[in-house]
Amino acid sequence: KAGVTQTPRYLIKTRGQQVTLSCSPISGHRSVSWYQQTPGQGLQFLFEYFSETQRNKGNFPGRFSGRQFSNSRSEMNVSTLELGDSALYLCASSLSGGGFRNTEAFFGQGTRLTVV
Amino acid sequence: GNSVTQMEGPVTLSEEAFLTINCTYTATGYPSLFWYVQYPGEGLQLLLKATKADDKGSNKGFEATYRKETTSFHLEKGSVQVSDSAVYFCALSENSGTYKYIFGTGTRLKVLA
Repeated sequence: KAGVTQTPRYLIKTRGQQVTLSCSPISGHRSVSWYQQTPGQGLQFLFEYFSETQRNKGNFPGRFSGRQFSNSRSEMNVSTLELGDSALYLCASSLSGGGFRNTEAFFGQGTRLTVV
Repeated sequence: GNSVTQMEGPVTLSEEAFLTINCTYTATGYPSLFWYVQYPGEGLQLLLKATKADDKGSNKGFEATYRKETTSFHLEKGSVQVSDSAVYFCALSENSGTYKYIFGTGTRLKVLA
């Protein structure tokens, strides 16, 4: 079956602009999580959505937002981009997201965002 | 708060050498523990997991045992191959409904032929 699809794979934006990243989860998966990966901070949790509801949010400024649609596809938006937002943004999907005790999370290949 | 600590890399080994990557965690309650692997230019792939104390996760020759008494989940492989070269992440899931992973910083493994 198809895996988690993230688009676009690469983005270059200018400071101050905004950007929207997209994630299509595995068919049937209702939980979508987003992570930011940087060399300095590693992998940091941004937020998690289940059935269009945000259930948890990481410690990021309000410039980072997300949403989930009725088909479980998710988008994240970053407004007023800063140089420090340059990172690999990873999306993960799982069946229920009820903790990952019994259902693993599957990650996409990520969107590499470069802010110049 | 909960956290995961991994050994610093990079780790460089010759093919067929024994691999250990140390991972310890701090958590309240009973987290589930995971090892993920990231190949160059790729996302993360689940390598193995353990959901309770003394469980052993295994896959593709890799093993890790959930040790509650030492709060550890060390990754081992008896004989590494060049194709195992990647970055390995230890992670925990707080089984208290927070719906997220907490990752270690990752350990880069390079295997030489």
